[in-house]
Amino acid sequence: QQQVKQSPQSLIVQKGGISIINCAYENTAFDYFPWYQQFPGKGPALLIAIRPDVSEKKEGRFTISFNKSAKQFSLHIMDSQPGDSATYFCAVSGTYKYIFGTGTRLKVLA
Amino acid sequence: NAGVTQTPKFQVLKTGQSMTLQCAQDMNHEYMSWYRQDPGMGLRLIHYSVGAGITDQGEVPNGYNVSRSTTEDFPLRLLSAAPSQTSVYFCASSPIRDGTGELFFGEGSRLTVL
Repeated sequence: QQQVKQSPQSLIVQKGGISIINCAYENTAFDYFPWYQQFPGKGPALLIAIRPDVSEKKEGRFTISFNKSAKQFSLHIMDSQPGDSATYFCAVSGTYKYIFGTGTRLKVLA
Repeated sequence: NAGVTQTPKFQVLKTGQSMTLQCAQDMNHEYMSWYRQDPGMGLRLIHYSVGAGITDQGEVPNGYNVSRSTTEDFPLRLLSAAPSQTSVYFCASSPIRDGTGELFFGEGSRLTVL
């Protein structure tokens, strides 16, 4: 089964710091690379996503960096805030395939 | 606009019982799917559908059935519940028929099988 490897499993960051979460995937049959944010008791919600024709996408404090040749992509959260404390999932998507990473629990200390 | 609605939010079953988790969306999305979320394992695809009358298996389909009689509804049936099916179940839909876009999730159904 195709896998998406996500790291770290958990992350503690001081308020104002940078949070970095990494994902690696195994083949190239994907054309959509999203990150989802999930708060306790809620369903995941799309945070930011990138297509493979660009290497970086920024939306506010959130940036995806994408390395197609290395089959890796990462989420950077700048100026992390306590409200960013949540579980983050990367995913890879191709036709009729949507595979999630195992999640990273982020805690931002006030 | 309600989005994706799941019922029930919580359910306790005994081993061997059957039940149906309901999912409805009001966004006219053709693509719908069911995931289970377990600690340390992320979200795993159970079944998906690309339109009324069309369903297919995902990564972990055993023990589950689905049907899609309308665009709006995509119920998940547990045929004979087992403790290994204790999990949080999420229904998700997408405006992209082949699923390669944003997924809109419901709030989840927490199932415990004793």
